[in-house]
Order: sequence, then structure tokens, then C-alpha cells
Amino acid sequence: DQQVKQNSPSLSVQEGRISILNCDYTNSMFDYFLWYKKYPAEGPTFLISISSIKDKNEDGRFTVFLNKSAKHLSLHIVPSQPGDSAVYFCAASSDRGSTLGRLYFGRGTQLTVWP
Amino acid sequence: EAGVAQSPRYKIIEKRQSVAFWCNPISGHATLYWYQQILGQGPKLLIQFQNNGVVDDSQLPKDRFSAERLKGVDSTLKIQPAKLEDSAVYLCASSLFVQGADTQYFGPGTRLLVL
Repeated sequence: DQQVKQNSPSLSVQEGRISILNCDYTNSMFDYFLWYKKYPAEGPTFLISISSIKDKNEDGRFTVFLNKSAKHLSLHIVPSQPGDSAVYFCAASSDRGSTLGRLYFGRGTQLTVWP
Repeated sequence: EAGVAQSPRYKIIEKRQSVAFWCNPISGHATLYWYQQILGQGPKLLIQFQNNGVVDDSQLPKDRFSAERLKGVDSTLKIQPAKLEDSAVYLCASSLFVQGADTQYFGPGTRLLVL
């Protein structure tokens, strides 16, 4: 059962423009959401996160928006740079129950930023 | 600060053979995770350790997979016997604590190909 879904396998954006990556989830027990970035032959690296008590978190060029009623979050990258080209994974976790600390990942979105 | 180390980086075996992967987490990190990432999918948690105790192994195929964390530091993941569908990247991650808000740091992964 895919509890975290990234329905766009790829996204292509011109350098300097905005990149918007989307993620949907089904489990209302999730209370923490994260974005990881992955380059080829490397492990995922943490990018930005948001708690369920917030609806926005910003870190430099990266902003994550959370819409709990729609069970949807998005990652905005402004402006996009060629070095941002990577696979972006959305992940979610819960601080409750037996799955404490477990991350549930989406399938990822390949972002390509072209000059 | 040294990151999460994994070895080997690549392994090719034939089905029914056995294989072992090693992980050294970031110093001081109490929690260690093993994830399996099949091509085109997001990482899926196999097992989670808190120090040298198992917190969650509900998704570990225990008939063929085993894992241990020696003295609460290094960990090994073993597959015996391997099947074709075990071909994947095996990622090790560590975090200071076990909670959803705690950042997990990933190693580069071991890419396994079962022929």
C-alpha cells in the first residue's frame, strides 16, 4: 500500500524558473513530512521538512507547503539551478505507535533543470 | 563529521547464493535503519534498531533476511538464499534518536544484482 504518492515521475524546468514538486499522502496519522534529494550513486540527503502543525516552511530557495485537509504537500524551488537536477523523494513519518521513526517514501520525481 | 559508511558498494551474485552488507553509522547515532530501494520505487524500511535492539522488523522477509547490530554500533544485513527479486539498492541510515522529526542520514548504498 503506497501511503505516500508522487504522481509525476519527471519534471523539466528552465534555469531561473520555479520548480514545483507535488506529493500526496493517505495516512492521516502522519505528522512530519520531509523532502530528500538524491544524486546518482549516492544516498538520499535531507533537504527540508515540515511539521503537521505548520503549513509552510522556508529554507533559502526551498519552500515546502502543507495542505492537511487535502493531504497534499509541495516543494517549491525558486530560482531553479542546474545543480538542482536530481531525484526528489517525499517522505512522511508518525511519532505515534509502533511505526515510530519509520519513513514512508514516495517513488520520487526526477527534476531536470536545463540552461 | 564522517557520514554513514557502507560496503561493498556493488555486489553481483547468482540466485540461491548468500550475501552480506555492512554499515557503520554516524558516531553517536542511536538509531540505525536498513532500507531496500527497488528500481523505480522509493526506499522501503526493512529493519530499525535502537542501539542494539530491534524496534521494527515488520517488513523484513525473515525467511531469508537477517540483520544484527553489534554492540549498538556497526550493523550487517544478510540475505540467504538470494532471489532475483532481491536485486535492489540497500541503504543504511542513522539518526540520533527514534522519532519522526529526527533527520535520518543515509549512506551511499550497496547495489545488489542477483542473476
